[in-house]
Amino acid sequence: AQKVTQAQTEISVVEKEDVTLDCVYETRDTTYYLFWYKQPPSGELVFLIRRNSFDEQNEISGRYSWNFQKSTSSFNFTITASQVVDSAVYFCALSKNSGYALNFGKGTSLLVTP
Amino acid sequence: GAVVSQHPSRVICKSGTSVKIECRSLDFQATTMFWYRQFPKQSLMLMATSNEGSKATYEQGVEKDKFLINHASLTLSTLTVTSAHPEDSSFYICSASPPIRTGNYGYTFGSGTRLTVV
Repeated sequence: AQKVTQAQTEISVVEKEDVTLDCVYETRDTTYYLFWYKQPPSGELVFLIRRNSFDEQNEISGRYSWNFQKSTSSFNFTITASQVVDSAVYFCALSKNSGYALNFGKGTSLLVTP
Repeated sequence: GAVVSQHPSRVICKSGTSVKIECRSLDFQATTMFWYRQFPKQSLMLMATSNEGSKATYEQGVEKDKFLINHASLTLSTLTVTSAHPEDSSFYICSASPPIRTGNYGYTFGSGTRLTVV
């Protein structure tokens, strides 16, 4: 069975601080995909990144970066120089393969204050 | 590309009535769609997997007679909440498995439907 754990329920930071959102996963599959989604108060899910199990390269996209470590089954997400617009709930998710449903973590609510 | 449209975005219905939610893939064919439910301040829980032309696969604990799913075409899946009760009030969101393409892509989600049963 697959499981995604986001231990941080809520995080509050002041604008311009860096913040890391943790994600730990469990799976018996050798091939799998990891995702991060952002859910602002409006409710829609915004895709941020997909990483497959064969690609352990870290990823940087603007102020966002991701650290994938298979050895610790973690896929952490860092926002550098946070902004108020980053306030949202962030979900880490896992799927067996393309075409399978996503298994979501419980989410981390990030509040960035001015 | 890979846009999923979900309607309605909000619906209020009386207890005992049925509500239909539509999920359309606008620019790609989706043989598989997924329906999730999200209660306030909680995660998304998979309700069922909808496959075009065949019966949906429901997750354990989800009543298939209450949550009717139809995936009659490659671009449309519908979820009908039958005989809705207040405890069915929730945020329902659909998703489609994306078409295979290069680059960084993920599952596309509809904008969600906030159902309130009064």
